[in-house]
Amino acid sequence: NAGVTQTPKFQVLKTGQSMTLQCAQDMNHNSMYWYRQDPGMGLRLIYYSASEGTTDKGEVPNGYNVSRLNKREFSLRLESAAPSQTSVYFCASSEASYEQFFGPGTRLTVL
Amino acid sequence: GDSVTQMEGPVTLSEEAFLTINCTYTATGYPSLFWYVQYPGEGLQLLLKATKADDKGSNKGFEATYRKETTSFHLEKGSVQVSDSAVYFCALSALDMDTGRRALTFGSGTRLQVQP
Repeated sequence: NAGVTQTPKFQVLKTGQSMTLQCAQDMNHNSMYWYRQDPGMGLRLIYYSASEGTTDKGEVPNGYNVSRLNKREFSLRLESAAPSQTSVYFCASSEASYEQFFGPGTRLTVL
Repeated sequence: GDSVTQMEGPVTLSEEAFLTINCTYTATGYPSLFWYVQYPGEGLQLLLKATKADDKGSNKGFEATYRKETTSFHLEKGSVQVSDSAVYFCALSALDMDTGRRALTFGSGTRLQVQP
């Protein structure tokens, strides 16, 4: 099992460009999450999906959109990137045990 | 809302020293508590968890006890190694009664540096 995979690992964008971060899990989990990690602030929830076909906003959703493509895949889209979105982005998945399994992260820089 | 407070880092210790990283929380209801570890350049990994009061989570020599009376979940290890150098996150999982969602709330993380 690969667990949770994310692509790309690194990305540099210019202000105003768009991009999609991809996430997939092979553990048959219902719930999936997108977080951003900033220095001194821990992880903050951007969006989550409790099950296939549903998505909901988290703590910091502004400037992002998500798509739960199927049970395995949950993508995060930046329509018009801003320097404030420079961060490390983590995808996670979980099942009823409440333990979340994390991907390796995407380091995004917006110039 | 729910919150988690961790001690500021970095914590710098010599190998074989005793480690304590403090964590306190605020939550309504009965949360589950977790410690996650993040090694350089990697994602977060679950280190240990406790789901009810007085439970002790343990893994790889690390321990933490769920103390409801003090709303704490301090991480301890009797003898740290250089390989324990990482960032440690305390987190809670509670049911949001408004949304029916259960999600993690993280502390800000504590960086541990162990010197040989």
